Amino acid sequence: AQSVAQPEDQVNVAEGNPLTVKCTYSVSGNPYLFWYVQYPNRGLQFLLKYITGDNLVKGSYGFEAEFNKSQTSFHLKKPSALVSDSALYFCAVRAYTGGFKTIFGAGTRLFVKA
Amino acid sequence: DAGVIQSPRHEVTEMGQEVTLRCKPISGHNSLFWYRQTMMRGLELLIYFNNNVPIDDSGMPEDRFSAKMPNASFSALKIQPSEPRDSAVYFCASSLMDRVQPQHFGDGTRLSIL
Repeated sequence: AQSVAQPEDQVNVAEGNPLTVKCTYSVSGNPYLFWYVQYPNRGLQFLLKYITGDNLVKGSYGFEAEFNKSQTSFHLKKPSALVSDSALYFCAVRAYTGGFKTIFGAGTRLFVKA
Repeated sequence: DAGVIQSPRHEVTEMGQEVTLRCKPISGHNSLFWYRQTMMRGLELLIYFNNNVPIDDSGMPEDRFSAKMPNASFSALKIQPSEPRDSAVYFCASSLMDRVQPQHFGDGTRLSIL
């Protein structure tokens, strides 16, 4: 079965420190992987995606993600966190389940403390 | 650029009433998705359309829920009769019908059924 796991409900980091939000997936075939961010009272916003090629993908607001095929992971990273990065982050995989469907993780809440 | 537009942003109504949520996708997008978000269940896909045709409605909770997309620029999700457990934030998203394209979300309708 196709699935996405975000093992941490919440991640706390101090401003200026690096941050990592973890994501692992299980799909058959090649995965198409996405990260989205949700701010309060807003819809999800696309951050970045991995389709093929370079395992390190750069996206909006200084975020990047590393695709690791052997570990079936797609962790989101940022070298220096900002208080304004505090939000809910969703990992998603697009997989074929009789048609292409996007499967979202449960979300990880990121708190960046000043 | 106009994003996905949802209306109303907030809806408060009494149990048993009919509720209609509206969505205008991004012009040119040919896939449309309806999601429901709650604290308990996270983000759930209710139904999605390709080229105005419903493709997968397996996420629609029960017969009280229905959705239509009469043309490329409008979709509506209807709940009749509404129940308190339907209270949630409902999101509409649109995308190009391509496995590598991200979804673009509206800011949602916060529905409260009293």
